[in-house]
Amino acid sequence: GAVVSQHPSRVICKSGTSVKIECRSLDFQATTMFWYRQFPKKSLMLMATSNEGSKATYEQGVEKDKFLINHASLTLSTLTVTSAHPEDSSFYICSASVLGQGAGYTFGSGTRLTVV
Amino acid sequence: RKEVEQDPGPFNVPEGATVAFNCTYSNSASQSFFWYRQDCRKEPKLLMSVYSSGNEDGRFTAQLNRASQYISLLIRDSKLSDSATYLCVVNINGSARQLTFGSGTQLTVLP
Repeated sequence: GAVVSQHPSRVICKSGTSVKIECRSLDFQATTMFWYRQFPKKSLMLMATSNEGSKATYEQGVEKDKFLINHASLTLSTLTVTSAHPEDSSFYICSASVLGQGAGYTFGSGTRLTVV
Repeated sequence: RKEVEQDPGPFNVPEGATVAFNCTYSNSASQSFFWYRQDCRKEPKLLMSVYSSGNEDGRFTAQLNRASQYISLLIRDSKLSDSATYLCVVNINGSARQLTFGSGTQLTVLP
């Protein structure tokens, strides 16, 4: 089945630093990937839609200058949390849609970010 | 009102019990419906899609009522391994392929 690889799975960083999270589609091409954030005991919230070769589409309330998204190839999207603060600590998950496979939404394994 | 609403639980049931989860959605234009399962600190994984006619996969039965904007998941003969959070997921804007998640219903199956 379709696999989305997300790296790193866990990261601890200091306030003010930047963290890059990678999301790769391993056996299919993903023109669109989605980035979600999930706080403890809350639902996944869509942050942005990452489009290959063009600018990402951000959801209302998500700062595009803080959460930089790059989707330079059909198999890789990256999310960079810039100048991270403790309130950015969360579980970040990417997903990609696989054409022709039923529901077709495959998720990466997630990145648990802790900003200290 | 939340776009997708679920009873958060927790549901604590003995092994072998039957348990049902409900979900309501607010947008009548919603096109696709799913149940996902999420284990603690893990990514969501698709459990099953939900079709208008209702569908079954082993011990799991999903139903959709478009008129009432209501989705259900029934788990029969529950196993310890069924313990997880079950997410009701709706695709509201099909062309954008975006998913809206409920906050999940937590299930613990007890020995």
